[in-house]
Amino acid sequence: QKEVEQDPGPLSVPEGAIVSLNCTYSNSAFQYFMWYRQYSRKGPELLMYTYSSGNKEDGRFTAQVDKSSKYISLFIRDSQPSDSATYLCAMITDSNYQLIWGAGTKLIIKP
Amino acid sequence: DVKVTQSSRYLVKRTGEKVFLECVQDMDHENMFWYRQDPGLGLRLIYFSYDVKMKEKGDIPEGYSVSREKKERFSLILESASTNQTSMYLCASSLGFSGLDTEAFFGQGTRLTVV
Repeated sequence: QKEVEQDPGPLSVPEGAIVSLNCTYSNSAFQYFMWYRQYSRKGPELLMYTYSSGNKEDGRFTAQVDKSSKYISLFIRDSQPSDSATYLCAMITDSNYQLIWGAGTKLIIKP
Repeated sequence: DVKVTQSSRYLVKRTGEKVFLECVQDMDHENMFWYRQDPGLGLRLIYFSYDVKMKEKGDIPEGYSVSREKKERFSLILESASTNQTSMYLCASSLGFSGLDTEAFFGQGTRLTVV
């Protein structure tokens, strides 16, 4: 079993919809949680970062961490065609040095 | 802005060739990484380096080696390219090992095809 599980999709939704992207993990020691966005033929870029549990909001994006369920989510409100990309979750413990990555979910926003 | 530059966007090599992928970062980051990315498998760490001349194996080091002679430059070497090494290769750097210092800054990727 992988340490981090993420459905690769693709997930196709109409423009304006609320999108929910998710990762589950098995290591309860993970403390830092990141979401990266990767456009086609580009490298990933950090989108959101949270520490421990709770929510974090940045414009149309909300990152949520539920440590009791070992589950993290990224919500996108009012989705736009420009949000079409692959979204990767990544996480790390306090004492480790290596980011552990999900497989990435390909998101398609249809105009 | 942090810039990580990979020497080639696209490469086509023959089976058995020795292949060099070069990566340069301009933000004085301590750590540098080489990943390969394949559909459905996500990012898999090949090697990383936390200092000049230091290297550590990642999850899939077989068939690869690395070199870091200068802080800003990290090279990935495919000793004898094989078709199963056809992939997207991504170089990344990060400032440190704690909290947001672990944020990875990526290059644009090199799509390598081995024929």
